[in-house]
Amino acid sequence: QVQLQESGPGLVKPSGTLSLTCVVSGDSISETNWWAWVRQPPGKGLEWIGEVFHSGGSTSNPSLKSRVTTSLDKSKNQFSLKLTSVTAADTAVYYCARGSFITIFGGTNAFDLWGQGTMVTVSS
Amino acid sequence: EIVLTQSPATLPLSPGERATLSCRASQSVSSSLAWYQQKPGQAPRLLIYEASNRATGIPARFSGSGSGTDFTLTVSSLEPEDFAVYYCQQRNNWPWTFGQGTKVEIK
Repeated sequence: QVQLQESGPGLVKPSGTLSLTCVVSGDSISETNWWAWVRQPPGKGLEWIGEVFHSGGSTSNPSLKSRVTTSLDKSKNQFSLKLTSVTAADTAVYYCARGSFITIFGGTNAFDLWGQGTMVTVSS
Repeated sequence: EIVLTQSPATLPLSPGERATLSCRASQSVSSSLAWYQQKPGQAPRLLIYEASNRATGIPARFSGSGSGTDFTLTVSSLEPEDFAVYYCQQRNNWPWTFGQGTKVEIK
């Protein structure tokens, strides 16, 4: 059974860096998938933050103005998010998620598995 | 950036009724549209991918249709556990975007 579990500080100071890790069990992050971060401010909808591919390449939402870095740690089978220069607007539940490319073997082209989410508050 | 507009914002229905949710894209996303269900305090769950394919373990009462700019999620007969918020999401044009959600609530 594949599981994703986020971890990281629940409180970050304004102008600081938000750092989260997602540990993957039951699947290898080196396979043909992508590994993403999605956030949800309290009482609001979902926002795609960015993702890293099994190859190590990455992409992120341009609305976050290059504040995002995503990376893989294949030795630990986990991936990470760093969001710099945070403000109160970055307060949200942060989810990690897995996506799969569509191939002859299957795949969804969607976020098909999610972590439980972790609340991060930006406050002094 | 593609804007996904979901309607209605809230859909009051009774168990056993049919739910029809709409997602309209500001430009074509081909069939690269997914639907997610989210219950309070839980992570989203994938229901439908590529517009009309049910994800693993999703009951047959959930179905998706559409292509291009207009998409529909249908729940043929609402079960008590189906009352939740539903989001559409496109993965055809970067950056990937979500709709604002439709809340299906008990009438």
